[in-house]
Amino acid sequence: DAGVTQSPTHLIKTRGQQVTLRCSPKSGHDTVSWYQQALGQGPQFIFQYYEEEERQRGNFPDRFSGHQFPNYSSELNVNALLLGDSALYLCASSLGGTNTGELFFGEGSRLTVL
Amino acid sequence: GENVEQHPSTLSVQEGDSAVIKCTYSDSASNYFPWYKQELGKRPQLIIDIRSNVGEKKDQRIAVTLNKTAKHFSLHITETQPEDSAVYFCAARTGFQKLVFGTGTRLLVSP
Repeated sequence: DAGVTQSPTHLIKTRGQQVTLRCSPKSGHDTVSWYQQALGQGPQFIFQYYEEEERQRGNFPDRFSGHQFPNYSSELNVNALLLGDSALYLCASSLGGTNTGELFFGEGSRLTVL
Repeated sequence: GENVEQHPSTLSVQEGDSAVIKCTYSDSASNYFPWYKQELGKRPQLIIDIRSNVGEKKDQRIAVTLNKTAKHFSLHITETQPEDSAVYFCAARTGFQKLVFGTGTRLLVSP
């Protein structure tokens, strides 16, 4: 049973560029949440997708957008990259039908903005 | 907004000692409190969790306690081992499956 998979694992971009990160949830899960973890800090909630719609959003600007596909996989897009966007981006999957249950994290995509 | 405070930020113990990490949350509607262990360059991994209808939960050397009235929860690790060295995060679930994380505790267990 595959867990949560993310790609790419590492990438380097320059300021002003755009980036797309991808996530496949754990088998049987239908909800995907994205978190940003800056160096030395705890993960910060970006947004959550359920039934192909954004269900909740954290305190992130509109430069951060996402999508969920019918197979429950998800993308995170960040436009007009800033140096401060450098972080580990974590995807977590869960079962969205109830407000219970564990979140399973992927290994993350480490983004460096130069 | 929702907030989770975590203390201490660093904790150094000798192998075999106990370690305690404490967290306080702000949203009284929070109903689920997981603890994650994160090794350098790795993803957070769930080590134990507790729901709001339970006051204490234990799993071998790890235990978590919850005081809903005070909005406190704590992680207790007994008989620490060098492989317990990592960063530990507490979190509180607020809203629909949204986790708010603490700032992390770097635990160092010296042989």
